[in-house]
Amino acid sequence: GENVEQHPSTLSVQEGDSAVIKCTYSDSASNYFPWYKQELGKRPQLIIDIRSNVGEKKDQRIAVTLNKTAKHFSLHITETQPEDSAVYFCAASKGSNYQLIWGAGTKLIIKP
Amino acid sequence: KAGVTQTPRYLIKTRGQQVTLSCSPISGHRSVSWYQQTPGQGLQFLFEYFSETQRNKGNFPGRFSGRQFSNSRSEMNVSTLELGDSALYLCASSPEATGPNYGYTFGSGTRLTVV
Repeated sequence: GENVEQHPSTLSVQEGDSAVIKCTYSDSASNYFPWYKQELGKRPQLIIDIRSNVGEKKDQRIAVTLNKTAKHFSLHITETQPEDSAVYFCAASKGSNYQLIWGAGTKLIIKP
Repeated sequence: KAGVTQTPRYLIKTRGQQVTLSCSPISGHRSVSWYQQTPGQGLQFLFEYFSETQRNKGNFPGRFSGRQFSNSRSEMNVSTLELGDSALYLCASSPEATGPNYGYTFGSGTRLTVV
């Protein structure tokens, strides 16, 4: 069945540097790719998403890129800040009647 | 606009008991999904309900069940609780028939502890 692999499982970066988290999906029919951020003790929140007809989407310091041929998508965070520390989850879906398939999560640590 | 409301927030149950958790979605949202999250683990999909029908189901044993009412509120039930069922149970709602493809809004979760 559909599978989403997420790497790395833990990422530690210096404050102000960039962070990149990568996900690979298996089902070429997937057409929706959201990213969720879960701060410690809080609920996951959608931070950005991309659809298969778009190659890149940006929202201030965060961006997502999609490579449909290689079946992978990435989250890019620039100028990282302490409040970016959280667990980030990627997911993929192939339509409204299908569930989201989730990556295992990446714990992002911002070092002061 | 009220968010997704889950009750209760915390629950302690004894092994072998059963438990019912409740989720009220955002007004107008008809899709409700349930997830189990254990410490350090990801989001394990339980099931999704849309218009009172289970539309998708994850790989959990039959002890886990759910339902959705005509007002879109949803409940999940776990029977014959096991220690391994201790987890944070999250529900998420989505607008209309699009399911998760226009973004979930998650509730704060119910933290279930089985002793």
